[in-house]
Amino acid sequence: GAGVSQSPSNKVTEKGKDVELRCDPISGHTALYWYRQSLGQGLEFLIYFQGNSAPDKSGLPSDRFSAERTGGSVSTLTIQRTQQEDSAVYLCASSPTGGYGGQYFGPGTRLTVT
Amino acid sequence: AQSVTQLDSQVPVFEEAPVELRCNYSSSVSVYLFWYVQYPNQGLQLLLKYLSGSTLVKGINGFEAEFNKSQTSFHLRKPSVHISDTAEYFCAVSDYSGAGSYQLTFGKGTKLSVIP
Repeated sequence: GAGVSQSPSNKVTEKGKDVELRCDPISGHTALYWYRQSLGQGLEFLIYFQGNSAPDKSGLPSDRFSAERTGGSVSTLTIQRTQQEDSAVYLCASSPTGGYGGQYFGPGTRLTVT
Repeated sequence: AQSVTQLDSQVPVFEEAPVELRCNYSSSVSVYLFWYVQYPNQGLQLLLKYLSGSTLVKGINGFEAEFNKSQTSFHLRKPSVHISDTAEYFCAVSDYSGAGSYQLTFGKGTKLSVIP
């Protein structure tokens, strides 16, 4: 079946611009996670959605980062006023069970802020 | 908060030789442990997981891992590697956050290079 998809695969933006990254989870998966992968920090948790519950935003690095999940499916991660340190690969993952049994990752969006 | 240590950042190994990638995690009452593999310019693929039960876990592509609670380790092994195993491997622990999330905490990764 179809896996997790993310778009765009690559995004180059100028410092100060806003960007939106999209994630389509595996159909039927109720849990959705965003992670960031950068050379300096490795893989870091950003935010978690589970059904209609309030999201766990504890990993968001600043208030420039936000995310939403519409209809319990597609999610959008928004970064406002991008900075060079935001350059990274943003990975989305979904899980049928809340995540404890393993998460299934998309191919990621490589964001470059110039 | 959980932490994961992957002791080797790079491991070169000859084709058809055995390999062990080491992983240690900080202690907790209960943890769920995972190994993921990342090929160049791709996302993470789940290799295997330990949730409970048998401490020896078998995964895809001939990999296996052993959960050792007393040593807080979860080392990954393969008896005979192939060129196609060249990739970066991440050990991860999932811990209930209390806010409903089983977010993963990852190690820094180990780059496995298989030499022909």
